[in-house]
Amino acid sequence: QKEVEQNSGPLSVPEGAIASLNCTYSDRGSQSFFWYRQYSGKSPELIMSIYSNGDKEDGRFTAQLNKASQYVSLLIRDSQPSDSATYLCAVVRGSARQLTFGSGTQLTVLP
Amino acid sequence: GAVVSQHPSWVICKSGTSVKIECRSLDFQATTMFWYRQFPKQSLMLMATSNEGSKATYEQGVEKDKFLINHASLTLSTLTVTSAHPEDSSFYICSASDETDTQYFGPGTRLTVL
Repeated sequence: QKEVEQNSGPLSVPEGAIASLNCTYSDRGSQSFFWYRQYSGKSPELIMSIYSNGDKEDGRFTAQLNKASQYVSLLIRDSQPSDSATYLCAVVRGSARQLTFGSGTQLTVLP
Repeated sequence: GAVVSQHPSWVICKSGTSVKIECRSLDFQATTMFWYRQFPKQSLMLMATSNEGSKATYEQGVEKDKFLINHASLTLSTLTVTSAHPEDSSFYICSASDETDTQYFGPGTRLTVL
């Protein structure tokens, strides 16, 4: 089992729809979770961090964390073509506080 | 938000030369800095973890004598690719983490070795 798994995609949604991105992790002791967005040819950009069970909203983005189910998700409301990118789920691991990334989900928002 | 800069953004060099890449956290003091490499259409690969004043910890398979890391201060880390070869051509990205373990990534350096 991979440490961090994401729905493989690619995922296509029409403009204005809700995009739902999912991620599961294997280490039950994990405490810190992040979503990054990476455009082609660019470096990752932080979208959200989440540390507690429940929902965390920031503009059109909502991160959801369920530690009992070892599940993290990201919802993007009112999706825009500019949201088209690869979304990376990341979990902090180890004493060096490194990030373990999922393989990424490629999202395309169709105009 | 926290800003991390990298310099240069791109570099072309001849085989056998060395290239230095700088990574700076501009508005915060980073507890730890990380160096990644990414080949086209592949995932980020962690190369090394670096703390100020300490020797870097390299991931398995990364040659520490080829990829020299210096972490001179809480806001500056450098990666030197020594005796670069065409297979070292890649996108090198640094990140800096704050006290919440949040990693902020630099814009990356695209290295092409001829």
